[in-house]
Amino acid sequence: AQSVTQPDIHITVSEGASLELRCNYSYGATPYLFWYVQSPGQGLQLLLKYFSGDTLVQGIKGFEAEFKRSQSSFNLRKPSVHWSDAAEYFCAVGRETSGSRLTFGEGTQLTVNP
Amino acid sequence: NAGVTQTPKFRILKIGQSMTLQCTQDMNHNYMYWYRQDPGMGLKLIYYSVGAGITDKGEVPNGYNVSRSTTEDFPLRLELAAPSQTSVYFCASSYRNSEQYFGPGTRLTVT
Repeated sequence: AQSVTQPDIHITVSEGASLELRCNYSYGATPYLFWYVQSPGQGLQLLLKYFSGDTLVQGIKGFEAEFKRSQSSFNLRKPSVHWSDAAEYFCAVGRETSGSRLTFGEGTQLTVNP
Repeated sequence: NAGVTQTPKFRILKIGQSMTLQCTQDMNHNYMYWYRQDPGMGLKLIYYSVGAGITDKGEVPNGYNVSRSTTEDFPLRLELAAPSQTSVYFCASSYRNSEQYFGPGTRLTVT
């Protein structure tokens, strides 16, 4: 069965600092990988996705993620965090043959200090 | 496009009551999903549908039912509500295996 682990429950960074959120997945073949962001009281918004091809993917709001098959990881990065980036971030994995059923990690809560 | 809409936004139910959570999408997506999100947890898939007339169970289907009579609508039915069903419910849709688009959620409390 597929699974996703987000090792960091809560991360605090200063505004302007760089950010890396970790995501490790378990799946036997090439996965579909996603990062979503959820602001308080809101639904989830897609930041970026990886299906195939270039392992470094660019997303919205200045985020990027790198797929590393050897490490089963799909870490999310941003070079300079803004206060508006404070939110909860979810990594998710899906399978090509599963009708887009996604398995989500438990999320990483990001706090941004001024 | 309105995207994925959900009603109601909030609801309080008494134990044993039933209700239907509504979900509509106007993107002509064939796939639709229902998730629940418990505090401090990720999303768990309840049911999903790959097209009108086709539904299937997800990870946590017990206590819920769904139907999909049209492409646009995917209601979630709670029968005999229990405190364990207190959660935030999200509906989502996608075109085949592409990214899923989420509604704003329904916050349900069962007391």
